[in-house]
Amino acid sequence: GDSVTQMEGPVTLSEEAFLTINCTYTATGYPSLFWYVQYPGEGLQLLLKATKADDKGSNKGFEATYRKETTSFHLEKGSVQVSDSAVYFCALSFHQAGTALIFGKGTTLSVSS
Amino acid sequence: DAEITQSPRHKITETGRQVTLACHQTWNHNNMFWYRQDLGHGLRLIHYSYGVQDTNKGEVSDGYSVSRSNTEDLPLTLESAASSQTSVYFCASSDGGGAAGELFFGEGSRLTVL
Repeated sequence: GDSVTQMEGPVTLSEEAFLTINCTYTATGYPSLFWYVQYPGEGLQLLLKATKADDKGSNKGFEATYRKETTSFHLEKGSVQVSDSAVYFCALSFHQAGTALIFGKGTTLSVSS
Repeated sequence: DAEITQSPRHKITETGRQVTLACHQTWNHNNMFWYRQDLGHGLRLIHYSYGVQDTNKGEVSDGYSVSRSNTEDLPLTLESAASSQTSVYFCASSDGGGAAGELFFGEGSRLTVL
């Protein structure tokens, strides 16, 4: 079945370090891909998305590019801040209206000053 | 502002009791979803609804039920709570546009079954 695999965490970085969180997917067809972020004690919120191959989603300094050839959607940020400490979830869904998201297991990021 | 709210935010119950978690959204979204979040499993889909009177089972639906009598609400019921259902539950909604859309999440309901 369709699934999302994320790198295991936690990821611990110093402020201003470069961040990469790997995400690969298995799907029949061509899904839309998402990164959601969950700050402590809160629900998830959309960080960025890409709906077709080679699209780049970006928001708040984070970027991810939809790579069909490698079935990947890796999240990157050039310089992390303490405020980026959160759990990051990669997810996919299909273009049928309103289909549910399939999530990866999440990667915890901890940034220290 | 439109929002999605869950209640209660925290609940402790005993094995075998019936529990209902409420979810209310004011966006007038057709689509609503319930997920549970557990360490090592991420978010797993329990039930979802694409509109009034429509309900569908997700990946981990055993022991749970939902009903959709109006657009705004999708309550989640645990018929007979079990310790394995101790978790954090998230409700979400979306407008179900032509392409895959953004889900809007509530703040979660933490359920402990003793």
